[in-house]
Amino acid sequence: EVQLVESGGGLVKPEGSLRLSCVGSGFTFSNYNMNWVRQAPGTGLEWVASISSRSTYIYYADSMKGRFTISRDNAKNSLYLHMNSLGAEDTAVYFCARDRGGNSGFFDSWGQGTLVTVSS
Amino acid sequence: DIQMTQSPSTLSASVGDRVTITCRASQSISSWLAWYQQKPGKAPKLLIYMASTLESEVPSRFSGSGSGTEFTLTISSLQPDDFATYYCQHYSTYSGSFGPGTKLEIK
Repeated sequence: EVQLVESGGGLVKPEGSLRLSCVGSGFTFSNYNMNWVRQAPGTGLEWVASISSRSTYIYYADSMKGRFTISRDNAKNSLYLHMNSLGAEDTAVYFCARDRGGNSGFFDSWGQGTLVTVSS
Repeated sequence: DIQMTQSPSTLSASVGDRVTITCRASQSISSWLAWYQQKPGKAPKLLIYMASTLESEVPSRFSGSGSGTEFTLTISSLQPDDFATYYCQHYSTYSGSFGPGTKLEIK
């Protein structure tokens, strides 16, 4: 069974930093592109960033460029999101999501999410 | 950037009803569209991709159609488990933009 488990969320002060992690199991992690998607309270889904299976290609949503860094460690079956200069608008549940395969761009498996709250 | 819109934002229906949700793209996206279902406090679930291809184990009462800029998700006979929020997503390699969602409520 495919499983994705996020961790690292919590309360952080404005302008602070945080690193989220996602561990995958039940599939060959190194074969899949991976993604972060977030959802602010009571709102819809927002794609954050994507990373190819070998970290060759990395893309960010415009509002995250320069502040967020996506990375992965295939030896540890892990995906990361480093977030800097956080603001209240970054308060959200952050999901990691697996690309369906073949550079498809849509997501067939999701973690349960980790909540990031930016507040003083 | 391609913008996605959905209508209606909220839909009230009864068990057994046939319902349709519409998703529109600000420019042609061919058939690069997926649909997801999300229940409160849960992760989204992939229902349909390539506009009309049903993900495995998704009930056949769900169907998708459309291409270019206008797409629909249809549930042929609503079941109690279907009351949720539905999102469309335009996807391309290494990026994706979601619609604002349609909340399907019990009438």
